[in-house]
Amino acid sequence: DVKVTQSSRYLVKRTGEKVFLECVQDMDHENMFWYRQDPGLGLRLIYFSYDVKMKEKGDIPEGYSVSREKKERFSLILESASTNQTSMYLCASTTRGRFQYFGPGTRLTVT
Amino acid sequence: AQSVSQHNHHVILSEAASLELGCNYSYGGTVNLFWYVQYPGQHLQLLLKYFSGDPLVKGIKGFEAEFIKSKFSFNLRKPSVQWSDTAEYFCAVNSIYNQGGKLIFGQGTELSVKP
Repeated sequence: DVKVTQSSRYLVKRTGEKVFLECVQDMDHENMFWYRQDPGLGLRLIYFSYDVKMKEKGDIPEGYSVSREKKERFSLILESASTNQTSMYLCASTTRGRFQYFGPGTRLTVT
Repeated sequence: AQSVSQHNHHVILSEAASLELGCNYSYGGTVNLFWYVQYPGQHLQLLLKYFSGDPLVKGIKGFEAEFIKSKFSFNLRKPSVQWSDTAEYFCAVNSIYNQGGKLIFGQGTELSVKP
């Protein structure tokens, strides 16, 4: 079974802090994604990556950056957390011809 | 612009009632279509998908969906819901030329099934 794991289920940070969210997949997938999930808005794509050291902006990249130094790991970085970044963050991975597998999510609260 | 629209934000049904959740998309070109489900406290998981072939696709737990190309729709159905179907349901689409690529999601439909 494909496994996508995320470093934390719940996280509380203060405004202005730098926040790292980690995602690891164990199926050698090329493609990895970061979404945020908000009530009434569904899932919105923040960033994605098709290969190591490659990244592309999604629909809402402002205030975020990413890092993919190894194929199995994709990190989302909030350079200076703000209260409007309080959300559920979901990581996903996939390979060509397959659907996306999701991690359990990290519920981030910025106070 | 590419988009997915789910008609119902919150649906409340009694057990054994039939279910149909609407999904319409706006996307140029040929698409792949998905329904994902998120049970309370659990991660998002695939319910069913359409890549090509028979437009009526069957998924897990008795769910099915029909792709109607002329209507740009991919509605989810189940003849008889159970309390355990209480969850949030998301419709999603991507391009066949970008399989494995980014998904566009609808807003989600919360389904509550009363025992």
